[in-house]
Amino acid sequence: ETGVTQTPRHLVMGMTNKKSLKCEQHLGHNAMYWYKQSAKKPLELMFVYSLEERVENNSVPSRFSPECPNSSHLFLHLHTLQPEDSALYLCASSQDRGPTDTQYFGPGTRLTVL
Amino acid sequence: AQSVTQLGSHVSVSEGALVLLRCNYSSSVPPYLFWYVQYPNQGLQLLLKYTTGATLVKGINGFEAEFKKSETSFHLTKPSAHMSDAAEYFCAVSDLSRSSASKIIFGSGTRLSIRP
Repeated sequence: ETGVTQTPRHLVMGMTNKKSLKCEQHLGHNAMYWYKQSAKKPLELMFVYSLEERVENNSVPSRFSPECPNSSHLFLHLHTLQPEDSALYLCASSQDRGPTDTQYFGPGTRLTVL
Repeated sequence: AQSVTQLGSHVSVSEGALVLLRCNYSSSVPPYLFWYVQYPNQGLQLLLKYTTGATLVKGINGFEAEFKKSETSFHLTKPSAHMSDAAEYFCAVSDLSRSSASKIIFGSGTRLSIRP
């Protein structure tokens, strides 16, 4: 148990569906992250939030829309996804955005797009 | 820009044998280096990290890594493998090329299998 929870753990959706992934951290951290983990590819950083402000968008398609209503919660809204978006989506948090800050990861949401 | 290369996508060792997972980095400035582990159906967990100071870093579960600047390496070792060590291991480096230094660059991972 890392103090970062993600729901749902598994999600299957069609290309026309709209769904949301939820992440919650119980560590009092100020920064939160979304990563995409695809088979045989390095982890890809998608978004970074610091104190509820988006500080990085790593050239992610607009069909992925993040939301950070407060420092404990992070959402990833999904719409009109493609099959190649199927992957494990990981949320992480860290105390701050320093280069030595440890990131704590949730268990991930396994997304399958049909 | 910083980067890491993990040599070997899959390593298999016998239970009780030495574990050696290789990581080389590229950085124009002193790097901050990490090893993370991912057990099946779980997120990543920090094993250890090197920031400054002692070059031999001890982590959780008996793992350690040595920062060798002359070899640009940060290999992960464990003297005696246990069945519970079977997992995916990721080497990572902080991206210091940006003022907002929040980005960690991960290697492609090494899957460690343990033979009984």
